Amino acid sequence: QVQLQESGPGLVKPSQTLSLSCTVSGGSISTGGYYWSWVRQHPEKGLEFIGYVHYTGNPHYNPSLTSRVSISLDKSANQFSLSLTSVTAADTAMYFCARVRLVRGAVDTWGQGTMVTVSS
Amino acid sequence: DIQMTQSPSTLSASLGDRVTITCRASQGLSGWLAWYQHKPGRAPKLLIYKTSHLETGVPSRFSGSGSETDFTLTISSLQPEDFATYYCQYYNDFSYGFGPGAKLEIK
Repeated sequence: QVQLQESGPGLVKPSQTLSLSCTVSGGSISTGGYYWSWVRQHPEKGLEFIGYVHYTGNPHYNPSLTSRVSISLDKSANQFSLSLTSVTAADTAMYFCARVRLVRGAVDTWGQGTMVTVSS
Repeated sequence: DIQMTQSPSTLSASLGDRVTITCRASQGLSGWLAWYQHKPGRAPKLLIYKTSHLETGVPSRFSGSGSETDFTLTISSLQPEDFATYYCQYYNDFSYGFGPGAKLEIK
């Protein structure tokens, strides 16, 4: 059974870059049929898709974040990563890594989530 | 951009009640609509995918239906563990997004 685990700093200063990694265990990130994704939830708010990447490349991002976000794969480490530049307090959120199963068009596996606070 | 609405935004119900949550999309989704249950401090849980397909391990009291733009999640008989926030989620043209959520509370 595939499991996902986020890692990264819980506190980021304004204007800096938020960087998170997601380690995939129990399966290979190079398996077809999935998008490796990031989703966030602002405090007391709903869920927001940040973006995703397929193992063949070609990431896709939420248009509201596309100028600041990058999602990449590290196949040798079986990880994928999120980079969000020029963060502000509005980027304070719980960040989840997630696996979208393409044939279902839905997230079938989630990480436990990691809280990131943007503050000086 | 596809806009999603959910109604009601908050719902109070009692154990054993039948409840329905509605999700509406601003354009047709060709059935690519999923539902999740989300409890505080936990990851969301997939309940339904492609409008009406029950995810493995999800109790049969959950069901989904719908058409191009209008979808419903029904819980046939509320159990204590069902009180949570429910989100719909679409897939369209390589994009994914969520509805604003519907909070199900105990009456």
